Amino acid sequence: GAVVSQHPSWVICKSGTSVKIECRSLDFQATTMFWYRQFPKQSLMLMATSNEGSKATYEQGVEKDKFLINHASLTLSTLTVTSAHPEDSSFYICSARGGVAGAYNEQFFGPGTRLTVL
Amino acid sequence: KNQVEQSPQSLIILEGKNCTLQCNYTVSPFSNLRWYKQDTGRGPVSLTIMTFSENTKSNGRYTATLDADTKQSSLHITASQLSDSASYICVVSVNGNNRLAFGKGNQVVVIP
Repeated sequence: GAVVSQHPSWVICKSGTSVKIECRSLDFQATTMFWYRQFPKQSLMLMATSNEGSKATYEQGVEKDKFLINHASLTLSTLTVTSAHPEDSSFYICSARGGVAGAYNEQFFGPGTRLTVL
Repeated sequence: KNQVEQSPQSLIILEGKNCTLQCNYTVSPFSNLRWYKQDTGRGPVSLTIMTFSENTKSNGRYTATLDADTKQSSLHITASQLSDSASYICVVSVNGNNRLAFGKGNQVVVIP
């Protein structure tokens, strides 16, 4: 149980276009979803936290108008990178937390999406 | 300064050998500490989770230890296999699990 999927697993786009990444909790309801970005050989960096049905909370330095997050249901959150630029190329990982978190209130991570902006 | 420091940054070990990875943290207040395995191009997969009251936890050939007094943790890999080649990330929860502090990972390469 506690499986999180992401789609697509990798995407290449032209500079200036927008890209949408989906994050789904497959077998549990995720009341909270998190979006992270990871550059090579670096730690995961939290971008934003979203609770179902409410606006996402963005970390300092993350542009909310550039990285649009929607968490419209308990099993789906989307991250849209608008007007993508080469510096947005990175590995984007989502995680989900919900009813199966148990005593450790665990986050379950998706497999990640590799974004390359040309 | 990162709140979670891991060492060594990378290491190469022979298949079948054991290795130990270190994690030091300065996070406070501390809720729990987790070790994840992250294969290249994949998301992190949980190996162990420990609260401050737990000082050891095993998951197959992986054994994690925790000393909450010295704020140190280790991950021991026994009888390494080629599939153990990955980055091992130490993650500490902050403020009652609302935030996670990530280490940069220990990059392990197992060679035949």
